[in-house]
Amino acid sequence: AQSVTQLDSQVPVFEEAPVELRCNYSSSVSVYLFWYVQYPNQGLQLLLKYLSGSTLVKGINGFEAEFNKSQTSFHLRKPSVHISDTAEYFCAVSGAGSYQLTFGKGTKLSVIP
Amino acid sequence: SAVISQKPSRDICQRGTSLTIQCQVDSQVTMMFWYRQQPGQSLTLIATANQGSEATYESGFVIDKFPISRPNLTFSTLTVSNMSPEDSSIYLCSVESLPGAGTEAFFGQGTRLTVV
Repeated sequence: AQSVTQLDSQVPVFEEAPVELRCNYSSSVSVYLFWYVQYPNQGLQLLLKYLSGSTLVKGINGFEAEFNKSQTSFHLRKPSVHISDTAEYFCAVSGAGSYQLTFGKGTKLSVIP
Repeated sequence: SAVISQKPSRDICQRGTSLTIQCQVDSQVTMMFWYRQQPGQSLTLIATANQGSEATYESGFVIDKFPISRPNLTFSTLTVSNMSPEDSSIYLCSVESLPGAGTEAFFGQGTRLTVV
């Protein structure tokens, strides 16, 4: 079984500042890792994913994440946020070979003008 | 990619009644998933629906409370039965772009249910 912990429920940040949203996971097997974004009144949209290979993964809208196996982390980063990045972000994990996603509780990112 | 239309987008229902949520996909998919997103909580998988077979329910969810239909490869419904205020949540339909682990999951916009 897997579990996901998103350490911050809310993150306020000023526009054009950098941001890091933290995600830690636990699993007894190899995992795939995902970040999804949910804009108000919309479904979830995939930002990026890590399956294998390079531990630094680049996604859409300028986001990137780094897989750290020793720390069991998959933190999401953006060097300069925009107002339009205001949304809720979910980290998710699936066991390699499994289709089932386990989600964290989400982090609400608020970008302040 | 897959485009998912989910309806209704929101509803306010009386306790003791039932609501059926529809999920339509613009392409044929093998597996469809139903999630619940309670306020301040993560998404929780309710069940997996395969065409032509009974849905597979996760621990804590039962068919009598959440009956699911999957009549073809592009459509599914989830019914929330005998509703109580504790059922107030967002319900999301999801599919995978390709069968197999690690592929992208696509989500509908969700159904925001309030039970009064």
